[in-house]
Amino acid sequence: GAGVSQSPSNKVTEKGKDVELRCDPISGHTALYWYRQSLGQGLEFLIYFQGNSAPDKSGLPSDRFSAERTGGSVSTLTIQRTQQEDSAVYLCASSLGSYQPQHFGDGTRLSIL
Amino acid sequence: SQELEQSPQSLIVQEGKNLTINCTSSKTLYGLYWYKQKYGEGLIFLMMLQKGGEEKSHEKITAKLDEKKQQSSLHITASQPSHAGIYLCGADTVGGNTPLVFGKGTRLSVIA
Repeated sequence: GAGVSQSPSNKVTEKGKDVELRCDPISGHTALYWYRQSLGQGLEFLIYFQGNSAPDKSGLPSDRFSAERTGGSVSTLTIQRTQQEDSAVYLCASSLGSYQPQHFGDGTRLSIL
Repeated sequence: SQELEQSPQSLIVQEGKNLTINCTSSKTLYGLYWYKQKYGEGLIFLMMLQKGGEEKSHEKITAKLDEKKQQSSLHITASQPSHAGIYLCGADTVGGNTPLVFGKGTRLSVIA
């Protein structure tokens, strides 16, 4: 399809393991965003990529979180040494550019046991 | 206090009734985006407002941005079960291609 694609849709892992979440943005969209949605917390910004510029990492909650965007397209969010508080839905969005709406994927539901 | 306040937190309306959801910002809004989310799914983009006094409609949903660009309302006319879900407002308070700040959402239930 033509929308933002995220995988996996669900991930269950043990505390302490590393996880990788993938986002495939809409073709041609130069901006890519990662957000996290937790119960009672709403949506919080994690990291933002715009073209070839250095990413805005100001929303990452700890140094266990990192993300990269290869070739200006697909992005991977990595969480190392997962903790139970990392359990949430991780949403990716992309947009064409300034003052354009962000379009979201269906998210990855991450559960840490 | 929250940068973006949404009210009410939840709403139960009878099918066919009108309803309004509000979104208030503590900062000037360079863009205000309304989304709808169903459980287990991503956010579906509804409408974008940028100019003070702007109003947009799509089917039975109308969104407005006030003249001072610090408050927006979403109005649904003659609600239907298909309108049920969580409505979120997202704000650009910086200008340009920036991450949005989101309200906590309004959970709408429509009963027959």
